[in-house]
Amino acid sequence: GENVEQHPSTLSVQEGDSAVIKCTYSDSASNYFPWYKQELGKRPQLIIDIRSNVGEKKDQRIAVTLNKTAKHFSLHITETQPEDSAVYFCAASIEGNKLVFGAGTILRVKS
Amino acid sequence: GAGVSQSPSNKVTEKGKDVELRCDPISGHTALYWYRQSLGQGLEFLIYFQGNSAPDKSGLPSDRFSAERTGGSVSTLTIQRTQQEDSAVYLCASSLVRLAGTQYFGPGTRLLVL
Repeated sequence: GENVEQHPSTLSVQEGDSAVIKCTYSDSASNYFPWYKQELGKRPQLIIDIRSNVGEKKDQRIAVTLNKTAKHFSLHITETQPEDSAVYFCAASIEGNKLVFGAGTILRVKS
Repeated sequence: GAGVSQSPSNKVTEKGKDVELRCDPISGHTALYWYRQSLGQGLEFLIYFQGNSAPDKSGLPSDRFSAERTGGSVSTLTIQRTQQEDSAVYLCASSLVRLAGTQYFGPGTRLLVL
């Protein structure tokens, strides 16, 4: 079955720097790749997603890139702010409408 | 509009008791999912309902776990004879689009089995 690996497990950056989180997946049929942000004690919230017909998508300080050939996708956060501190999860679609999640990355933005 | 809601928000129970967790999806969403999240861990898929199709139960960890979705809307996750290892946050999500739709999560139910 699908396996999604996410790296790094923890990431500390200085405020204003960029942060990059990477995920790889195994099922070549996966065609939808969302990213979720989960603050402590809160629900996961979708921050950006990408489908397999595009290679990059950007929304203000957040961007996602997808390389279908290599089966990996990445989340890029520029000009990080303390409120970006949270756990970030990547996911890949399987069997049409299910998602397999990565293990998560704890991002700490130091001010 | 209203998002996904779950109840109770917290549940403390004794080992061996049964518990029921409720999920109200976003109105009109045809797909509903249950996940389990242990402390500091990722999201573990449990079960998936899509319209009137038979549910995908492939993620249920044991036969103590079951779920129903009545009338294509509200869902109940039941855990029988709870064990301490069942302690976790149980998250429900719903989505609209049939194929690879965005999933919207509820606030979760924090279950503690003593």
